[in-house]
Order: sequence, then C-alpha cells, then structure tokens
Amino acid sequence: KAGVTQTPRYLIKTRGQQVTLSCSPISGHRSVSWYQQTPGQGLQFLFEYFSETQRNKGNFPGRFSGRQFSNSRSEMNVSTLELGDSALYLCASSPVGRNTGELFFGEGSRLTVL
Amino acid sequence: SQKIEQNSEALNIQEGKTATLTCNYTNYSPAYLQWYRQDPGRGPVFLLLIRENEKEKRKERLKVTFDTTLKQSLFHITASQPADSATYLCALLQGAQKLVFGQGTRLTINP
Repeated sequence: KAGVTQTPRYLIKTRGQQVTLSCSPISGHRSVSWYQQTPGQGLQFLFEYFSETQRNKGNFPGRFSGRQFSNSRSEMNVSTLELGDSALYLCASSPVGRNTGELFFGEGSRLTVL
Repeated sequence: SQKIEQNSEALNIQEGKTATLTCNYTNYSPAYLQWYRQDPGRGPVFLLLIRENEKEKRKERLKVTFDTTLKQSLFHITASQPADSATYLCALLQGAQKLVFGQGTRLTINP
C-alpha cells in the first residue's frame, strides 16, 4: 500500500503570498489531519477532516484553511503568508473506525517564507 | 492547563545500553498514549500505543510503560544501536482524532 503523499515537498514563498499544499491519504483512510511543526512550538494540530467535513480545528488564525474532497484527498491553504508560517506541514491519515488515534504521516511539505 | 512534557530535550547513550525516555502529562485523562519516531526531514512514524488499563507494552526491543497515577509514560529501547538515533515523540489523544504531542527527545546512540 502506498503511504501518505504530500506535494510539494519544498517551496519558497514571500510574505503576503498564499500557498496550497496537497495530501493524498493511504487508500481506504478517510480521516486526514494536518499539523504544523516548528523548532520552537513542536507539532501543533491544525485541523482534521472526515468525509469532507472538518471535525476538529486547532488554535490557528483564519488564514489557515483546509478542505477534503470526496476521494479523501485533502488540501490546506495559508493566505497572506507571514515569516512565522515557515514550517514543516505534515499531513496524516487514519482508517475509519480506529478510535485509538494512531496516525500515518506523510513526509511533509517544507515551507519557507521570505 | 493541559501539558505534555518530555523532560529531556536530548539524550546520548552508548551503543548496547538501554535508553529510557520520559513523558509526563498534566490535566489529561488519556485513554491511550502513543509513541512516534521522527528522523530529520521526515514525518513521524507510529511505534507503539498503550491503553490506560495496560501497565506495559512490548514490541521487539521497545518497551513502554504507562502509570496513570504518576501521569507518566516511560519508553525504553534495549540493546540500543546507532540506527535507533532519532527524535522520539509521545502523544495523547484529545477528543476525536486530535493528537497532542510532546516536544520530543532527540536520542543519539554512540558507537
């Protein structure tokens, strides 16, 4: 089975721009979560989607948004980029009915904001 | 406020010894606690999950304990090898499908 695929792996943007990151979950996994990882804050939860619905949201400003498509693929968008948005953005999927929470992560999208 | 703390930012261990990592939490009542491994530039990889009614869980050279009275989990790697060098993260489930992670412990196994 293919793992979680994230694109692009690396990208550089400038302040004020916007960015869209993409995530394809493991086949059969319908829950997709997004995390931001920085050296200072560690792994921070952004949001989680299941069946195209956002079920959970972390404490991030409205500039961070996401969506999930009917094939479970997900995208997240960050608008009006700030320097502090530079981070590794990780997508993770989990199978239906698993209430123990273990996640299968992709390799991440490394965003640098200049 | 709720907090998860891994009390060592970095740990250096001689090859062959047992590495022990600590995860403490406050103001949580988790049903499960998880451990992940993360290599530089890669996503975390799930290692082990332990339930609140389990005292200990083993997987090959890995052992996890969970003490809900002390609010602490210990993660052990026995017969450590240089390939075990990585950052190890503990995580708790907070609500449905939201994991809260500790800051991680960067483990280095010296040959």
